[in-house]
Amino acid sequence: DAGVIQSPRHEVTEMGQEVTLRCKPISGHDYLFWYRQTMMRGLELLIYFNNNVPIDDSGMPEDRFSAKMPNASFSTLKIQPSEPRDSAVYFCASSPGGGDYGYTFGSGTRLTVV
Amino acid sequence: TQLLEQSPQFLSIQEGENLTVYCNSSSVFSSLQWYRQEPGEGPVLLVTVVTGGEVKKLKRLTFQFGDARKDSSLHITAAQPGDTGLYLCAGEETNAGKSTFGDGTTLTVKP
Repeated sequence: DAGVIQSPRHEVTEMGQEVTLRCKPISGHDYLFWYRQTMMRGLELLIYFNNNVPIDDSGMPEDRFSAKMPNASFSTLKIQPSEPRDSAVYFCASSPGGGDYGYTFGSGTRLTVV
Repeated sequence: TQLLEQSPQFLSIQEGENLTVYCNSSSVFSSLQWYRQEPGEGPVLLVTVVTGGEVKKLKRLTFQFGDARKDSSLHITAAQPGDTGLYLCAGEETNAGKSTFGDGTTLTVKP
């Protein structure tokens, strides 16, 4: 298995632009998580899905952030409009059964908003 | 307030030394995981502990889960430069469905 695949690896965009991050989880993993990592706040859970259904989006910072999982093999995290404070590394992770089973993380997308 | 407190925050040692890092909480966890993260990459799962008092070994790494399932430790024997990285603990409170991560311990092992 190729693991969790994220794209793009790096994204530089101007404030106000729309940004879309993409994730392909491991086949057969029923849970998908989106995390954001910064030096100040560490790893923060943004949202997670179980069987393509959003379960907990309490970590999504504000209405500018949205996430979808149209099928078991694809998820997107969208920021519209982007702001400089959104600059961070965004990770997607998948798991066969939630936190108790541990997560497999992707390599992340480093987002810079200028 | 951070749910999982990791200590120390930074640790710099010489090759061959032993070290222990800690992960503490006031909450009870159904399981606890340890991850290692290298620069430019995502965290990689090292181990999951689920039973209070459980000890797991992975080569030179020994992981222990506290009897009350509120804390954990990671001990590395004879550290090597390849052990350098950010060590993260993560725990799932019972039936939460999701894990909370600590802020991590940044370990540097000098040759």
